Amino acid sequence: AQSVTQLDSHVSVSEGTPVLLRCNYSSSYSPSLFWYVQHPNKGLQLLLKYTSAATLVKGINGFEAEFKKSETSFHLTKPSAHMSDAAEYFCVVSDRPGGYNKLIFGAGTRLAVHP
Amino acid sequence: DAGVTQSPTHLIKTRGQQVTLRCSPKSGHDTVSWYQQALGQGPQFIFQYYEEEERQRGNFPDRFSGHQFPNYSSELNVNALLLGDSALYLCASSLAGARLDSPLHFGNGTRLTVT
Repeated sequence: AQSVTQLDSHVSVSEGTPVLLRCNYSSSYSPSLFWYVQHPNKGLQLLLKYTSAATLVKGINGFEAEFKKSETSFHLTKPSAHMSDAAEYFCVVSDRPGGYNKLIFGAGTRLAVHP
Repeated sequence: DAGVTQSPTHLIKTRGQQVTLRCSPKSGHDTVSWYQQALGQGPQFIFQYYEEEERQRGNFPDRFSGHQFPNYSSELNVNALLLGDSALYLCASSLAGARLDSPLHFGNGTRLTVT
């Protein structure tokens, strides 16, 4: 069965410093992995996705993630945090029994950005 | 181009009552999935509808049921509400013929409170 584990429930950074949100995955086949962001009282927005092409994936708003098969990791990074980055972030793996797209979410990491 | 729309945005119900939530998919999408997001947790897959039939189901009791209409819109029904059903209910749409790694488009959700 597919699963993801987000290693930190809360991460706090200062504005202008790097962001690292950690995610490990478990999958019995080559996974499709995603990072979604959720701002308060909003729906989920896709940040980026990995689909077995390049292992370094660039997303929106300066975020990127690197797929490391040997470490079963898909960590999300950003060189310089902005106040508007404060939100809940979800690492997600696509579960594809029968070929249908069903997403399995991690528990989430709440990112706080301080001035 | 309208995205995924959900109604109502907020709802308060009493234990034992029944509730219906509604979702209109993004224009051009034919598949609707429902997710439950309890407070402080990641979304969990409830079920998916395609061609007016339930195509896949997560680990939810039969009190949770759904429907898809010919125009691809969908309803989520929950009977005999429990306090534990209080959550944000998210609708996501996609195109059945798209790549399996195609991202889902999420609505802003319906916040259900059961008292």
